[in-house]
Amino acid sequence: GAVVSQHPSWVICKSGTSVKIECRSLDFQATTMFWYRQFPKQSLMLMATSNEGSKATYEQGVEKDKFLINHASLTLSTLTVTSAHPEDSSFYICSARLSGSNQPQHFGDGTRLSIL
Amino acid sequence: AQSVAQPEDQVNVAEGNPLTVKCTYSVSGNPYLFWYVQYPNRGLQFLLKYITGDNLVKGSYGFEAEFNKSQTSFHLKKPSALVSDSALYFCAVRDKKNTGFQKLVFGTGTRLLVSP
Repeated sequence: GAVVSQHPSWVICKSGTSVKIECRSLDFQATTMFWYRQFPKQSLMLMATSNEGSKATYEQGVEKDKFLINHASLTLSTLTVTSAHPEDSSFYICSARLSGSNQPQHFGDGTRLSIL
Repeated sequence: AQSVAQPEDQVNVAEGNPLTVKCTYSVSGNPYLFWYVQYPNRGLQFLLKYITGDNLVKGSYGFEAEFNKSQTSFHLKKPSALVSDSALYFCAVRDKKNTGFQKLVFGTGTRLLVSP
């Protein structure tokens, strides 16, 4: 149980395009999902917390207009990187948490984004 | 504020030998503690958690971790390492007082290399 699916796993696109990444909880409902960015050989940096039916909460320094998050249902959150540039190239990972204060986050397999 | 320290960038161990990956934490209240493992180009997989109760927590794939409140540590251990255990390991903490979105703070990761 507690499977999180992330799609696509790999994206290569031209500078200036927008890219949408989907995060789905397959066998549970997730009121809260999290979006992380991971640079090579570094830890995960939390970008934002996504809540179903409300606006996402962004971490300091993360541009909300650049990284659009939509959490329209209890099983789907999307991250759209708008007008992507080479510096946005990174590994993006989502996670979802079962309800309950002591439940772990379960992670998707990540999306490697490469902007040319 | 919450923080996690993983003092070793890399741990090398021979197959069949015991392994330890160190983690210390800092929270204002009582902690929720987690260990995750990451394989190349993949998301994080949950290994185990400490919420309350026994200080020795058993998790997936034969891993266990010992919560030591006086030393504020939560070291990951396995009695006999396998080559397939080679991966990147992350320790994470959440303060039980954090009743917001319950976000985790991750350590910088420790690369475990098990040699045949």
